[in-house]
Parts: sequence; structure tokens; C-alpha cells
Amino acid sequence: QQQVKQSPQSLIVQKGGISIINCAYENTAFDYFPWYQQFPGKGPALLIAIRPDVSEKKEGRFTISFNKSAKQFSLHIMDSQPGDSATYFCASQARYYTDKLIFGTGTRLQVFP
Amino acid sequence: NAGVTQTPKFRILKIGQSMTLQCTQDMNHNYMYWYRQDPGMGLKLIYYSVGAGITDKGEVPNGYNVSRSTTEDFPLRLELAAPSQTSVYFCASSAGGDNYGYTFGSGTRLTVV
Repeated sequence: QQQVKQSPQSLIVQKGGISIINCAYENTAFDYFPWYQQFPGKGPALLIAIRPDVSEKKEGRFTISFNKSAKQFSLHIMDSQPGDSATYFCASQARYYTDKLIFGTGTRLQVFP
Repeated sequence: NAGVTQTPKFRILKIGQSMTLQCTQDMNHNYMYWYRQDPGMGLKLIYYSVGAGITDKGEVPNGYNVSRSTTEDFPLRLELAAPSQTSVYFCASSAGGDNYGYTFGSGTRLTVV
């Protein structure tokens, strides 16, 4: 029940295209769903996050879509840029239960000019 | 504002040696975490702490020990290093509760030979 499944493992997108990364969770106690972005040689950094009381959250070119009934959420990167090339991790957390983040396995995104 | 500082950045250990990975944060966060990152496996929680003097095991604690004598410091001890502990180690901190997001350090790349 603690797993977070992420797909695809890697993604190649042309500049200007849309990148889509999907995650699924099992534990219904999760109430916070962040996405982290990691560049080579760096630690992960919080990119965008959503709570389950909304179905979508948008920040600039980054959008999280959330489907509570399916226990799935996804990250959409519009107008993908070479600077978006990084590894993306979804995560889930039951904030008032353990405060521990459970991470997906990561997606390596490469955006080519 | 330094955030989360990890030392050393790189280390090579021989099998059976011991070492301590240092982690310090200057944000007065109560919650601190140690993760290891292996290719294709995402981030796995080793140990975490909800405050000074309180620590608990995560998903993969075997072969590691931690202590939390102050709010700022959360060192990770490896006893009798094994090749399976070759990994990149990340320390993170958070304020917990409604203050979203973890702040990660830049990581320690450890190789056990």
C-alpha cells in the first residue's frame, strides 16, 4: 500500500512538445502529491504539488492533473524546453500521519532542440 | 541561507570500513530524512527524525545508524561498509505539517570497493 508507481522510465520529447509523466498510488491516506525535479549532480527540488481537494493545478508551463477515484496523478509540461531535461519524481505523503514522502522510481526526460 | 549541507560530496570506502555522512540544516526544521538513490529505483528512505532525540527506521535501514542530538544535525553512520551500500545519499529536511515540501542537500556519492 506504500508504493507509488511511475511511468515512463524515460521520455524523449522535441522542443515545444508536451511531456506527460504518470503516477499511481495505493494508499488512500495520502493527502499530498508533489513532483520533484532533479538535475545531474544535484538534489531533488520541489517543482509543483497538489492536494486531493482539487483536480488540477497549474504553475506556468507545469500542470498536475489529479484523479482521486482512479488514484492517479500526472505531470504535464507544456512547450517543453531543453532546460527541462532532468529526472522527475512523483511522490505521495500522508502529512498528518507520518510526514514521510514515498517516491516513484523517476522519469528521465530529454528535450531535444 | 545555506539550506541543507552535506559532506563529503564524494567518498570511496573499502569493504569493512566505516564512515559518517554529515548533514546540517539551518532552517530550524524539525523533520530530517536520509534517502539513498540507486539508478532506476527512485529514492528509498533509510532513517528519519521528527525532532532532536527522536529517530526511526525507514524502508531500508539495515547497515546504517543515525543520531539526532541537535535540531540542526542528522549524521548517518555506515558500519562495516558493503558493496551494496554503493549509492548516492541525500539528506532532506522539512518543517512538517502544513509547510509543504522537503529541502534536499546536494548529495554524497559513495562507492564501496
